[in-house]
Amino acid sequence: GQSLEQPSEVTAVEGAIVQINCTYQTSGFYGLSWYQQHDGGAPTFLSYNALDGLEETGRFSSFLSRSDSYGYLLLQELQMKDSASYFCAVRDGDSGTYKYIFGTGTRLKVLA
Amino acid sequence: DSGVTQTPKHLITATGQRVTLRCSPRSGDLSVYWYQQSLDQGLQFLIQYYNGEERAKGNILERFSAQQFPDLHSELNLSSLELGDSALYFCASSSSGGGEGNEQFFGPGTRLTVL
Repeated sequence: GQSLEQPSEVTAVEGAIVQINCTYQTSGFYGLSWYQQHDGGAPTFLSYNALDGLEETGRFSSFLSRSDSYGYLLLQELQMKDSASYFCAVRDGDSGTYKYIFGTGTRLKVLA
Repeated sequence: DSGVTQTPKHLITATGQRVTLRCSPRSGDLSVYWYQQSLDQGLQFLIQYYNGEERAKGNILERFSAQQFPDLHSELNLSSLELGDSALYFCASSSSGGGEGNEQFFGPGTRLTVL
């Protein structure tokens, strides 16, 4: 079946670097997306990887290895405001029949 | 502010009742997606509409239905409500029809409480 696995919680201190991993199992793969959600808020899009390699957007980077069915989100120079839940997501299935699957989320706690 | 609006923000109702959640996508976006998020859970994809037509379907219950109108706003209808339907319901929109990696813009959500 289709699934995405990510750690439930990660803790780091301000200014540090943290990596949130995501492994996936899908019947059809069209790329890996990452979303951030603060408590009580709506998810916001962070990044998308369709091809292998690293995509950098400011302090955030995302990596994909299609051969390993694995990706990660890298957050650098952590700030208190980065405390939130982070979800990886894929579109699973072919062009005729597909659905979106989100991981259960990784809660990031940034400590002062 | 994502530009996606959802009404109402909060909804409290009783088991067995029927409710309608409304979503207006960002200006120019043709796709609307509905998600359910239960307490401390991830997002469960329910359904996607593109320019008025159903495009993709997730694990949406038969008691739930949705539609997208000509002006592109969408409604999610939940009937015969059960306690387990209590959740946050998000609507999202995007400009494309669900192509690879298209960014989805999420609304603020409707919190449904079934008593």
